[in-house]
Amino acid sequence: EPEVTQTPSHQVTQMGQEVILRCVPISNHLYFYWYRQILGQKVEFLVSFYNNEISEKSEIFDDQFSVERPDGSNFTLKIRSTKLEDSAMYFCATTLRQDNEQFFGPGTRLTVL
Amino acid sequence: AQSVTQPDIHITVSEGASLELRCNYSYGATPYLFWYVQSPGQGLQLLLKYFSGDTLVQGIKGFEAEFKRSQSSFNLRKPSVHWSDAAEYFCAVTYNNNDMRFGAGTRLTVKP
Repeated sequence: EPEVTQTPSHQVTQMGQEVILRCVPISNHLYFYWYRQILGQKVEFLVSFYNNEISEKSEIFDDQFSVERPDGSNFTLKIRSTKLEDSAMYFCATTLRQDNEQFFGPGTRLTVL
Repeated sequence: AQSVTQPDIHITVSEGASLELRCNYSYGATPYLFWYVQSPGQGLQLLLKYFSGDTLVQGIKGFEAEFKRSQSSFNLRKPSVHWSDAAEYFCAVTYNNNDMRFGAGTRLTVKP
């Protein structure tokens, strides 16, 4: 069964460094999303992406964050200058159509020191 | 404002007992509704979803949920809980599938 994959599974970085989290969507999916889950808290929506542009973003998704799909396969989330509070699990999700369920990847655990 | 409420932070049930996890939402229109389960350190697994049609939906692992428009609720049920059901359960809603809003989660503990 097709799956959403994410790399790396765990990323440790120093505060102020840039990180790029990668997601490989299910091959024919067209809508892409990033969510984060701070340890012990609920899952929070960050951004949705369709047709090579952001469809919607939350208040969390500030200028430090960006998304792109540079090569038509990987869907990336970049954090330009990480802060301690960016430490969280980041989930990618994808879906074929807007009226379909989102399929979640296994997540990337980001630890900012 | 759009919101999802799971009133129970933690529930403990005995193995074999029935289970109901509550979820209420506040949206302008009927959203798409989901229940996800998350084991410690793991990702999110979809249990079931409601988009339209029959308001009682069946999911995996013997779970079901009922959409009640009048109560803005989408409660998750299972008639007989197994020890392996111990996990965190999240209700989620989205209106246009552009952003999915999650509840705070309910942690389920199963007593032997």
